[in-house]
Amino acid sequence: GDSVTQMEGPVTLSEEAFLTINCTYTATGYPSLFWYVQYPGEGLQLLLKATKADDKGSNKGFEATYRKETTSFHLEKGSVQVSDSAVYFCALTMDSNYQLIWGAGTKLIIKP
Amino acid sequence: NAGVTQTPKFQVLKTGQSMTLQCAQDMNHEYMSWYRQDPGMGLRLIHYSVGAGITDQGEVPNGYNVSRSTTEDFPLRLLSAAPSQTSVYFCASRRTRDMPHTGELFFGEGSRLTVL
Repeated sequence: GDSVTQMEGPVTLSEEAFLTINCTYTATGYPSLFWYVQYPGEGLQLLLKATKADDKGSNKGFEATYRKETTSFHLEKGSVQVSDSAVYFCALTMDSNYQLIWGAGTKLIIKP
Repeated sequence: NAGVTQTPKFQVLKTGQSMTLQCAQDMNHEYMSWYRQDPGMGLRLIHYSVGAGITDQGEVPNGYNVSRSTTEDFPLRLLSAAPSQTSVYFCASRRTRDMPHTGELFFGEGSRLTVL
């Protein structure tokens, strides 16, 4: 079945470092792809999305490109801040239903 | 702008007790759902609804009941609480009419449940 695999955390970086969180997927069709972020003590919120191959989603300095050939949707940011410390979830959904399929989440810790 | 509101935020139960987690949204979303979040296991779907009067099971429905009598409300009932139901519960909603596969999912702040 369809699935999402994320790199295991926690990922610990210093402020202003470059961030990559890997996400790969398995899907039988052409999914839409999402990154959600969960700040401490809060619910999840949409960070960015891409709905077709080669689309790039971006928000708050984060970017991810939908790569059909490698079935990937890696999250990147050029210079992280302490306020980016959170848990990041990669997810996909198919045209045929409303359900999101979630990765396990990657905890990001940014040290000043 | 309330969005998705969950109550209570914290609850402690004894094994065998019952309770209801409340969820309300004011965005006129057709789709509502309940997830549980456990360490190392990500989010798991418990139940969902695509409109008033329609509910369906997700990945982990056992021990939980839901109903959807109005568009706004989607309560989750624990019939006889067990320690395995200790978790953080999230309610989430989205539009489905216009964007069935790209619409943003809006989450509540979560309800932390401990079953002793």
